[in-house]
Amino acid sequence: AQSVTQLGSHVSVSEGALVLLRCNYSSSVPPYLFWYVQYPNQGLQLLLKYTSAATLVKGINGFEAEFKKSETSFHLTKPSAHMSDAAEYFCAVTFQGGSEKLVFGKGMKLTVNP
Amino acid sequence: DVKVTQSSRYLVKRTGEKVFLECVQDMDHENMFWYRQDPGLGLRLIYFSYDVKMKEKGDIPEGYSVSREKKERFSLILESASTNQTSMYLCASRTSGSLHEQFFGPGTRLTVL
Repeated sequence: AQSVTQLGSHVSVSEGALVLLRCNYSSSVPPYLFWYVQYPNQGLQLLLKYTSAATLVKGINGFEAEFKKSETSFHLTKPSAHMSDAAEYFCAVTFQGGSEKLVFGKGMKLTVNP
Repeated sequence: DVKVTQSSRYLVKRTGEKVFLECVQDMDHENMFWYRQDPGLGLRLIYFSYDVKMKEKGDIPEGYSVSREKKERFSLILESASTNQTSMYLCASRTSGSLHEQFFGPGTRLTVL
């Protein structure tokens, strides 16, 4: 069965600092991986996804993620945090040719300090 | 522009009431999903539907039912609301094929008193 692990529930960075949100997955078959962002009082919107084309995936708002099969990881990064990045971030996994369902991590709340 | 709408942003109901949460998508997607979101627990799948009149249980279906009579509309029903169903409810839709992303509605925050 697939699963994702987002260790911790909160991370705090200063404006202009590097953002690193970790996601590790478990899947016995090639996965598809997604990062979603949820701003306060809103639904989730897609940041980026990995579907086995390129291992480094660029998304919206300057975010990117790198698929590393050897580490079973798909960490999300942004070189310089902005106040508007404050939100909750979810990693999710499904697998190629498989279920229509997504399995979500528990989420990570990002705070950006001025 | 893709759109998933939910009938209410905020809802307050009393214990034992029957509650309907409606979701409509305008993208002709085959698949629709209902999740609940609770702090520290992430998103948990309640039910999903891969076609009209078709449904499948998710991870936490107890206390809920669903209806999909038309392709664009997916309803979540709480037959007899209880306080432990106080939560944020999110609807999503997606075209078939697991590489495609899900599109989410804005959510309904339900409080059961």
